Amino acid sequence: GIQVEQSPPDLILQEGANSTLRCNFSDSVNNLQWFHQNPWGQLINLFYIPSGTKQNGRLSATTVATERYSLLYISSSQTTDSGVYFCAVSTNAGKSTFGDGTTLTVKP
Amino acid sequence: KAGVTQTPRYLIKTRGQQVTLSCSPISGHRSVSWYQQTPGQGLQFLFEYFSETQRNKGNFPGRFSGRQFSNSRSEMNVSTLELGDSALYLCASSWDSGGYTFGSGTRLTVV
Repeated sequence: GIQVEQSPPDLILQEGANSTLRCNFSDSVNNLQWFHQNPWGQLINLFYIPSGTKQNGRLSATTVATERYSLLYISSSQTTDSGVYFCAVSTNAGKSTFGDGTTLTVKP
Repeated sequence: KAGVTQTPRYLIKTRGQQVTLSCSPISGHRSVSWYQQTPGQGLQFLFEYFSETQRNKGNFPGRFSGRQFSNSRSEMNVSTLELGDSALYLCASSWDSGGYTFGSGTRLTVV
């Protein structure tokens, strides 16, 4: 099956810093999403981005489907950005494969 | 509009028992997927239902089963519970495999 690799596994930042999270995948995909898992376990959808670039406030994402990677940018990070960020891809309708996540800690 | 609703939020069961978890998708969404999240294995796909039919299935034993009703609500059942089934079970819905929206999950503890 498809492999999804996220980097870095852990990231510690000071409040106000910028960061880039990466997601590499091993095959062509139909869908790609970025999620933020909050402390209560819920996965919050950040971007649905099988290709191209999107922005939402301080967050933006770019997927280069031909090169099989996606990037999530967080600018001016805040302590509330802390948590685990997941990339999920699917090649088959209804079945997503998740990466292992990047754990982000933003210190005040 | 209402999000994806999972019930119950927390559950404690004894080894050997069975459990049923419920998921109500966003109104109009026809696809419902289930995932298991554990510290050791991460997020793993269980199965997906679309218009009452199982469309995809992950690599889980037959003790894990599910179904979807005509109103798109879905249930998953785990029989003969094992300690290793302790996990956060997440449900997601989509109109048709576009972007998925997840519920808050059911945290199952098997003792």
